[in-house]
Amino acid sequence: EDKVVQSPLSLVVHEGDTVTLNCSYEVTNFRSLLWYKQEKKAPTFLFMLTSSGIEKKSGRLSSILDKKELFSILNITATQTGDSAVYLCAVGTDGGATNKLIFGTGTLLAVQP
Amino acid sequence: ETGVTQSPTHLIKTRGQQVTLRCSSQSGHNTVSWYQQALGQGPQFIFQYYREEENGRGNFPPRFSGLQFPNYSSELNVNALELDDSALYLCASSLQGTNEKLFFGSGTQLSVL
Repeated sequence: EDKVVQSPLSLVVHEGDTVTLNCSYEVTNFRSLLWYKQEKKAPTFLFMLTSSGIEKKSGRLSSILDKKELFSILNITATQTGDSAVYLCAVGTDGGATNKLIFGTGTLLAVQP
Repeated sequence: ETGVTQSPTHLIKTRGQQVTLRCSSQSGHNTVSWYQQALGQGPQFIFQYYREEENGRGNFPPRFSGLQFPNYSSELNVNALELDDSALYLCASSLQGTNEKLFFGSGTQLSVL
């Protein structure tokens, strides 16, 4: 059965800290890995990764994929209170519904002032 | 703002009742997916609609059904509600055949008493 596992489940840090969120997966016909940020209700897209070793970067956030070891990390540097959210990792697979994503349970990040 | 709108935002029903949730997709998007997110869990794929037909389904019973209209908007219907159906229901729109970068609405919070 396809699965996506995120760790840690929750994390409390102080403003200015750097955090690393982990996502491992076991799926057949891997196609892509995506990161979403969910603050209240609607998950918002952060990154999509399809190739190993190529870092994607957006401001203080970055992410990289390792298709050999089947994991990805999301880094947030110089955290701010506005980074507090649930971070969801999801995997897209080939075959079946084109846009089906398999989500992990998420990492709840709390950034304290 | 993703341009995906869902209604209603909140809904309270009793066990055994039926419910209809609605979603308007982002302009230009022809595919709609529905996800169920239980408290503390990641979203789970229910089904996807493209060209007014279901073209992918997750592990949900037949009492979960849907429709897509010519303007690409969509409905999710759930019959014979059970307590475990209490969850946030997320609609996501995308372009078929592109990638899994989904744009989510803010969801409908369904409570079944």
